[in-house]
Parts: sequence; C-alpha cells; structure tokens
Amino acid sequence: QEQLVESGGGVVQPGGSLRLSCAASGFTFSSYAMFWVRQAPGKGLEWTAVISYDGSNKYYADSVKGRVTIFRDNAKNTLYLHMNRLTTEDTAVYFCARDLFDFRSGSLGYGYFDLWGQGSLVAVSS
Amino acid sequence: EIVLTQSPATLSLSPGERATLSCRASQSIASYLAWYQQKPGQAPRLLIYDVSIRATGIPARFSGSGSGTDFTLTISSLEPEDSAIYYCQQRGSWPPLTFGGGTKVEIK
Repeated sequence: QEQLVESGGGVVQPGGSLRLSCAASGFTFSSYAMFWVRQAPGKGLEWTAVISYDGSNKYYADSVKGRVTIFRDNAKNTLYLHMNRLTTEDTAVYFCARDLFDFRSGSLGYGYFDLWGQGSLVAVSS
Repeated sequence: EIVLTQSPATLSLSPGERATLSCRASQSIASYLAWYQQKPGQAPRLLIYDVSIRATGIPARFSGSGSGTDFTLTISSLEPEDSAIYYCQQRGSWPPLTFGGGTKVEIK
C-alpha cells in the first residue's frame, strides 16, 4: 500500500526552527519528485517546495524562500522540510505529496499531486 | 505567477443535481489544470488532471473541460459524499505551482 506519513510538527516560538519528515512506503520513492504543500487554518492550499527525484533540483515558494530547505534521503525513503526563522504566517498543516508521474516525465515531475500524507500541524506561537 | 480564480465560492445543491464549478486562470495554461477534492480533516484527493483525465478510481460523474484560461469541473449527479471543497491547480507555468481559492459544495 502506497503511503506517506508526516511527523515532526508541533508548537514553536516565532523565530524558531523545525524539521518535518515524510516517510514513504509502498512505492519506489527514489523515482518520484516530491512536494510540500501547506494549508493555513481555514485557508486554501499553497505549494511550498519541490525536490527532484534525485535531490539535485529544488524550488521554493517566494513566501518561504531563504528560510526553508527541502531535502531527501532516498536510502531511507524519507523527505524532509527544514524551516528556520518561523513566523505566525507559517502556521499551517504541512502535507507532503508525490508527483503523479515518475522521473520519466521530468526531473521535477509533472506537477500534479496524486499521493498525499495526512498532514503535520505546525503552530508558530509565543 | 499565474493566479487561479474559482467561482462560485459556495454551491448548495440537492442530491442528484448537476454541479458546475469554474476556474479561471490569469493567463493561458493550455491544458495543464487539475482538480482536487478535500473533505474536512483530510488531505486533498486528485480528481482530474490535464483538464479532463480522471485520476485512478475517480467515478465517472466527475468530468472536466476547458482550455487556455477557462475551465470547468462538472459533477453530473451529486451524491451526499461529494460534499467537500474543490480546488483547481495549474502546472502550465511553474514554479510556482498555484491553486485556486476553492469552491465549497454543500449538499442540501
């Protein structure tokens, strides 16, 4: 069964740091570009970051650029998101998501999300 | 950045009725549009990609159409379980990937 399971969320003070993890199982993790998508409470979806199947290419939303790093460990089938200098605007449920197609559609994937984790809540509050 | 505008914000219909959801892009995205369904407390689910291709396991009552800047998701005959928020998303010009603001479908 294909699955993504996030962990690492919690309450953090403004200016703090946090690392989210996303453990993949049931599919060949190393063949897919992976994404983080976030959703502030009661709001819509916001694409946050993408990493290519091999980790060589990464892009970020302007809202997090310079404060966030996406990386992956294909040997451990795990995706990560390291967040620094957090603000209240970063409060959200963070979803990891898999690209619809594998690396043959391009190193950054096709750009749609067909498998999602359950989400991990990050609450930035003093 | 391509902005997607969804309308209406809320749609309230009875079971068996037809639902028509709109998504308009700020510039042409060819046929690179997807639709997702999200129920409360759940992750989104991919329904349709590349305007009209149903994802695996999606019932035939969901269909998509459009091209360029104007797109439609149609639910031909609403079921109670279709109560959810529906988001469109574009990959026509990325990064960034962008989503619409969502349409809430309520079943009377």
